Amino acid sequence: KAGVTQTPRYLIKTRGQQVTLSCSPISGHRSVSWYQQTPGQGLQFLFEYFSETQRNKGNFPGRFSGRQFSNSRSEMNVSTLELGDSALYLCASKGQSGTDTQYFGPGTRLTVL
Amino acid sequence: TQLLEQSPQFLSIQEGENLTVYCNSSSVFSSLQWYRQEPGEGPVLLVTVVTGGEVKKLKRLTFQFGDARKDSSLHITAAQPGDTGLYLCAGGGSNYKLTFGKGTLLTVNP
Repeated sequence: KAGVTQTPRYLIKTRGQQVTLSCSPISGHRSVSWYQQTPGQGLQFLFEYFSETQRNKGNFPGRFSGRQFSNSRSEMNVSTLELGDSALYLCASKGQSGTDTQYFGPGTRLTVL
Repeated sequence: TQLLEQSPQFLSIQEGENLTVYCNSSSVFSSLQWYRQEPGEGPVLLVTVVTGGEVKKLKRLTFQFGDARKDSSLHITAAQPGDTGLYLCAGGGSNYKLTFGKGTLLTVNP
């Protein structure tokens, strides 16, 4: 089985721009979660999508949004980028059961200049 | 808000030494997971513990979940350079959301 893939792997943007990141989950997985990882704050939960519906949301401003498509692929969007948005954005997928293992992708490294 | 505190934040040891990493919270979690993350990659799940007092062993790694399900520890025996990485604990709640600690960066020197 192919693992979780994320594109692009690296991205450089300037303040005020917007960015869209993509995540393809493991085949058959319907849950996709997004996390932001920074040295200071660690891994912070952004949101989770299950069957195209947002099931959980973390404490991030409305500039961070996401969606999931019928094939379970997910995108997250960050509008009006700030310097503090520089981080590794990780996507994770898991199966239907709440006890299923969560598998992470390699992440997208976003740098905001 | 549920918080997980990991200690120590950084650990640098010589090959062959033993070490313990701690993960503590004031909140009760339904499960506790440990991950290892290597540079340029996402975290990889090592173990999940769900029962208070549970102990799981994975080769040289021993994981323990506290009796009250608020804390956990990871003990590595005879550490090897291949154990180098960021170790993360994550607590699971009833809403499928995971709360992560900030991690312990372990370096094992040959």
